[in-house]
Amino acid sequence: GESVGLHLPTLSVQEGDNSIINCAYSNSASDYFIWYKQESGKGPQFIIDIRSNMDKRQGQRVTVLLNKTVKHLSLQIAATQPGDSAVYFCAENIDDYKLSFGAGTTVTVRA
Amino acid sequence: EPEVTQTPSHQVTQMGQEVILRCVPISNHLYFYWYRQILGQKVEFLVSFYNNEISEKSEIFDDQFSVERPDGSNFTLKIRSTKLEDSAMYFCASSEALRGKAAQHFGDGTRLSIL
Repeated sequence: GESVGLHLPTLSVQEGDNSIINCAYSNSASDYFIWYKQESGKGPQFIIDIRSNMDKRQGQRVTVLLNKTVKHLSLQIAATQPGDSAVYFCAENIDDYKLSFGAGTTVTVRA
Repeated sequence: EPEVTQTPSHQVTQMGQEVILRCVPISNHLYFYWYRQILGQKVEFLVSFYNNEISEKSEIFDDQFSVERPDGSNFTLKIRSTKLEDSAMYFCASSEALRGKAAQHFGDGTRLSIL
């Protein structure tokens, strides 16, 4: 079965608020994780990645946190904007080539 | 910013027919991939390709599927005899290096509809 999954299928957030999207993984040997954003009719768009030797990584308005003890990954989006509305996937490199995707969280930003 | 491009954006094919989906990976990338996403489901790995050969494939990638890099820029997925259940979005991806060193970047996909 899939080794990566998301806690919530949907998230509604007020514009300007911070968003937190969660993901659990089950393969303790996984050492590389990626967050993707998928807008309607488009492919997964790379947001940020993190290696297992780190527990936090920041990008522009986004932060990824990795807790290897509980096998949990989260994506935080600061000051959420309408353009952030999309489906967000965490993905796990379970071997050198294959990405295993979670089911996705649909984020809807309320004006 | 360089991107992966896929053509066509939508392909409609009769069951049993052959179909070829085309991709132009990012130019300096060495690793190429195909994934698919059935409507409402997760993105699933099909195959990875490096140095002109398949490096890994999933159980979905059976004898009906093949991949090719016919020249220095294109990467194709062929389905020899399509079935209804092959209807899905097919995404091509490429990466500069393997896991932990570079992320996979995806195209916008080809929607394959089998009638």
